[in-house]
Amino acid sequence: DTEVTQTPKHLVMGMTNKKSLKCEQHMGHRAMYWYKQKAKKPPELMFVYSYEKLSINESVPSRFSPECPNSSLLNLHLHALQPEDSALYLCASSQELIDEKLFFGSGTQLSVL
Amino acid sequence: AQSVTQLGSHVSVSEGALVLLRCNYSSSVPPYLFWYVQYPNQGLQLLLKYTTGATLVKGINGFEAEFKKSETSFHLTKPSAHMSDAAEYFCAVSAPGGSYIPTFGRGTSLIVHP
Repeated sequence: DTEVTQTPKHLVMGMTNKKSLKCEQHMGHRAMYWYKQKAKKPPELMFVYSYEKLSINESVPSRFSPECPNSSLLNLHLHALQPEDSALYLCASSQELIDEKLFFGSGTQLSVL
Repeated sequence: AQSVTQLGSHVSVSEGALVLLRCNYSSSVPPYLFWYVQYPNQGLQLLLKYTTGATLVKGINGFEAEFKKSETSFHLTKPSAHMSDAAEYFCAVSAPGGSYIPTFGRGTSLIVHP
């Protein structure tokens, strides 16, 4: 299994809602990543977890809250988002933090109304 | 710090023609270089990567890239374009010994005409 699975594929939420994005991999990878991608732009790194510990937070607003409950699962909790947060949210994983090869999921297309 | 510059936000070719997507890098250490492809509404997929060794790297779907240190370039080529190659292509660089996390270029949209 070489897949990174993200759910849901699409999400529409209001600015007062709380929602969560889920990412799962069963490749035994110990590093997991959240990226944000706006249309026609490159992915922007948000968070990195290594061995279930937050390793990198790229100064992301607190309305985004990551969680890594176990080595296979990565969540992104969303609360009080703004319309400008609408984007494709991509999850990725790698064998280790120092492994340069990333495996990406298909993403969650988020629309904030 | 490392960065990549992709020349041309759009490249248009005819089916069967040569594909050339340009990427120049900047890195204070010998870099690792990557090309990723993104199809509409999909995540990114690694096409090929250069770490050390042979400077001509072959990837999936008939693509290849050549690391040229003297030109600080890592251009992506394919001899004959196929309609299914239409996608967004991202060049990326990472710094071994420092941050292994790739830094992405702005992307080049490949358009293939029948």
